[in-house]
Amino acid sequence: EVQLLESGGGLVQPGGSLRLSCAASGFSISTYGMTWVRQAPGKGLEWVSGISSGSHSTHYADSVKGRFTISRDNSRNMLYVQMNSLRAEDTAVYYCARVFSSSWPRGYGMDVWGQGTTVTVSS
Amino acid sequence: EIVLTQSPGTLSLSPGERATLSCRASQSVSSSYLAWYQQKPGQAPRLLIYGASSRATGIPDRFSGSGSGTDFTLTISRLEPEDFAVYYCQQYDSSPVTFGPGTKVDIK
Repeated sequence: EVQLLESGGGLVQPGGSLRLSCAASGFSISTYGMTWVRQAPGKGLEWVSGISSGSHSTHYADSVKGRFTISRDNSRNMLYVQMNSLRAEDTAVYYCARVFSSSWPRGYGMDVWGQGTTVTVSS
Repeated sequence: EIVLTQSPGTLSLSPGERATLSCRASQSVSSSYLAWYQQKPGQAPRLLIYGASSRATGIPDRFSGSGSGTDFTLTISRLEPEDFAVYYCQQYDSSPVTFGPGTKVDIK
């Protein structure tokens, strides 16, 4: 079964850092672009970041550019996002998702989603 | 950035009824790059439709998508109890990819 499982969420103070992980199973991420999408409490979906299959290309929403870094380890079938300088407005459930292809942006339909991990930024 | 507007915000219908959800874009979107997702409370989104009108794997044929340019529609021909959820459209034609604010379909 194709699955994604996020981890690493938690409570962090403003200005702090957190690293989220996403473990894939049932398929090899090496042939897919991957992405992070977040959802603030009671709000809609917001695309955060994406990475090509071979890590050659990365993309970020303006709201996180310069603070978040997406990466992947194809040998471990893992996706990551390093989140620095966290703000209250980064509070959300963070989903990892598989995209149709690495082509940006036209490959970024999302066909497999994880269940999400919750990040709370608060003092 | 392409802004997607969804209407109505909430649609109150009964099981068996037809649901028509609208997604309007601030600029033209190639129909090849418009998707619809379903999200139930406490769950991750699920891909329903891609390329404006192609059903994703395992999606029942009561779900259909249509439209072009700036106006797109998701239709659920006969609502089943499990269809009451929030539906989001997404464009992946232009950077950055963006989602609409969602339409909630609830039980009347």
